[in-house]
Amino acid sequence: QVQLAQSGAEVKKPGSSVKVSCKASGGTFSSIAISWVRQAPGQGLEWMGRIIPLLRIPNYAQKFQGRVTITADKSTSTAYMELSSLRSEDTAVYYCAREHLMGATPMGWFDPWGQGTLVTVSS
Amino acid sequence: QSVLTQPPSASGPPGQRVTISCSGSSSNIGDNTVNWYQQLPGTAPKLLIYSNNQRPSGVPDRFSGSKSGTSASLAISGLQSEDEADYYCAAWDDSLNGPVFGGGTKLTVL
Repeated sequence: QVQLAQSGAEVKKPGSSVKVSCKASGGTFSSIAISWVRQAPGQGLEWMGRIIPLLRIPNYAQKFQGRVTITADKSTSTAYMELSSLRSEDTAVYYCAREHLMGATPMGWFDPWGQGTLVTVSS
Repeated sequence: QSVLTQPPSASGPPGQRVTISCSGSSSNIGDNTVNWYQQLPGTAPKLLIYSNNQRPSGVPDRFSGSKSGTSASLAISGLQSEDEADYYCAAWDDSLNGPVFGGGTKLTVL
């Protein structure tokens, strides 16, 4: 049973970058997909991208292309999401979640989720 | 503006049955399966229904999902106070090549 534990809250200045980690335990890290989903205060959910550690190739939502980098370290079973050029609208809770795979094809549904990491962007 | 459309709120008394709708298009719901998530206040979302109508282990059978054309519905029967939460629908979008979500429906148990 995979469990995901995320790094702690961050406060960042506009224009800077943030890197959030997501450590997996209880499963085979290489054979799963890790997606990142964010939720702005009082708002809905927004998919940012994913990585399949076995393939090491990330996929990004069009909206975040060029600003987000998702990586995975198989040696520590940890995935990372780095978001650059931060602006106030990036203030949100960032979740990692295991995305179900059929073979190597992501199926677009997520279970389980990490506990979330609040990133606040403020001058 | 979310890609999938949900009503912002729904409500019902304990014991009643309530349904939450989710409307999309041919590039998402029309061509792919629908998933539902429950988010209790202050917690991470939890998978409730996947592949239109499948319940993960541990989800009570009071929760059920269905899909028809470019719309889907989540039904909750025998409403309980602990069902008060936000509910999100989601589906793969072929045009965006990724998962998309509805804006969420806040369920209140009266």
